Amino acid sequence: EPEVTQTPSHQVTQMGQEVILRCVPISNHLYFYWYRQILGQKVEFLVSFYNNEISEKSEIFDDQFSVERPDGSNFTLKIRSTKLEDSAMYFCASSAIDGATEAFFGQGTRLTVV
Amino acid sequence: SQQGEEDPQALSIQEGENATMNCSYKTSINNLQWYRQNSGRGLVHLILIRSNEREKHSGRLRVTLDTSKKSSSLLITASRAADTASYFCATVLGSTLGRLYFGRGTQLTVWP
Repeated sequence: EPEVTQTPSHQVTQMGQEVILRCVPISNHLYFYWYRQILGQKVEFLVSFYNNEISEKSEIFDDQFSVERPDGSNFTLKIRSTKLEDSAMYFCASSAIDGATEAFFGQGTRLTVV
Repeated sequence: SQQGEEDPQALSIQEGENATMNCSYKTSINNLQWYRQNSGRGLVHLILIRSNEREKHSGRLRVTLDTSKKSSSLLITASRAADTASYFCATVLGSTLGRLYFGRGTQLTVWP
């Protein structure tokens, strides 16, 4: 069964460093998303991406964040200068059409900023 | 905020019993989705119900949607220990297709 894969599963980084989280969405999907979940809190939307551009972003997704689809398969989230409060589980998701169909999530990358 | 809010926050039952979780939201939706999350793992999509639907079934899962009350319920029948997980509802607004608004979830524990 097709699935969304994320790498790495766990990343530890020092405050101020740049990190890139990687995702391979399901191959025939067109919409891609990043969400995050701070420990013990809700899953929060970061950004959606369609047709090689951001279609929507939340207030969390500030200038420190960027997304890219560098080739036909990968979808990346870059945090330019990590802060302690960026520590969270980051989930990538994809959907075939748009929010009118179900989104499939990856297993997540646990980011720990020290 | 739009986010769905689940009720109860925690539910503890015996195997074989039914589990019912509720979700309330605030504004009009395009659809509502239920997800499951095992501890520390990813979100698994369970079922999607559209705003013009009232009930959907999938195996042991039954979801209802009452748009007049802005609420949904997830029923798991004949629960198993393997159903132990957190369950989240997530809403999609008609105006922002794709963005999921999650609630805080219900932690379900099923005892063998």
